[in-house]
Amino acid sequence: GAVVSQHPSWVICKSGTSVKIECRSLDFQATTMFWYRQFPKQSLMLMATSNEGSKATYEQGVEKDKFLINHASLTLSTLTVTSAHPEDSSFYICSAVSGTSGREQFFGPGTRLTVL
Amino acid sequence: SQQGEEDPQALSIQEGENATMNCSYKTSINNLQWYRQNSGRGLVHLILIRSNEREKHSGRLRVTLDTSKKSSSLLITASRAADTASYFCATDLSNDMRFGAGTRLTVKP
Repeated sequence: GAVVSQHPSWVICKSGTSVKIECRSLDFQATTMFWYRQFPKQSLMLMATSNEGSKATYEQGVEKDKFLINHASLTLSTLTVTSAHPEDSSFYICSAVSGTSGREQFFGPGTRLTVL
Repeated sequence: SQQGEEDPQALSIQEGENATMNCSYKTSINNLQWYRQNSGRGLVHLILIRSNEREKHSGRLRVTLDTSKKSSSLLITASRAADTASYFCATDLSNDMRFGAGTRLTVKP
């Protein structure tokens, strides 16, 4: 099946720094990728929808200037957490949609961010 | 990698009928979650059931969990055309989430 990778799998950073997370579709082209965040013991929450070559669509309550999303190619989307704070510590997971129908979705393994 | 396996892969029913989707998984879990996805959109969380729970209700949704069989089911009662979507189960073990491939539900008006 289709594979989606994320890098890094975990990262620890100091408060105030920026962290970039990559999401790659390894063997298929993904016109759409989604970014989710999950706090401990809570459900996955959609943050934004990333479309190749256009601006991301953010969900209500998600700060676009804090969570920068770039979908520069059909196989790569990046999420940059700018000026990270401890409350940004979370599990970030991406998914990529394969096919023009948008029906098949594949998930990355996630990235655990810890901000000290 | 994906752990959960939804069954069936696709389901087509008439409006008003009930829809049952099943999910099987392989490892121990903390909880299991069901999500819905409309075509081309992101996932929407439906319901979470913890490993020590056996059944949970939310509106027209009913979820069961059998940890001995490592399986869960999602029942949508009195389906509507607007319920047409893909439904995913996700297993959660210490925030290591694994999703199934999903069931594509079509509700015909």
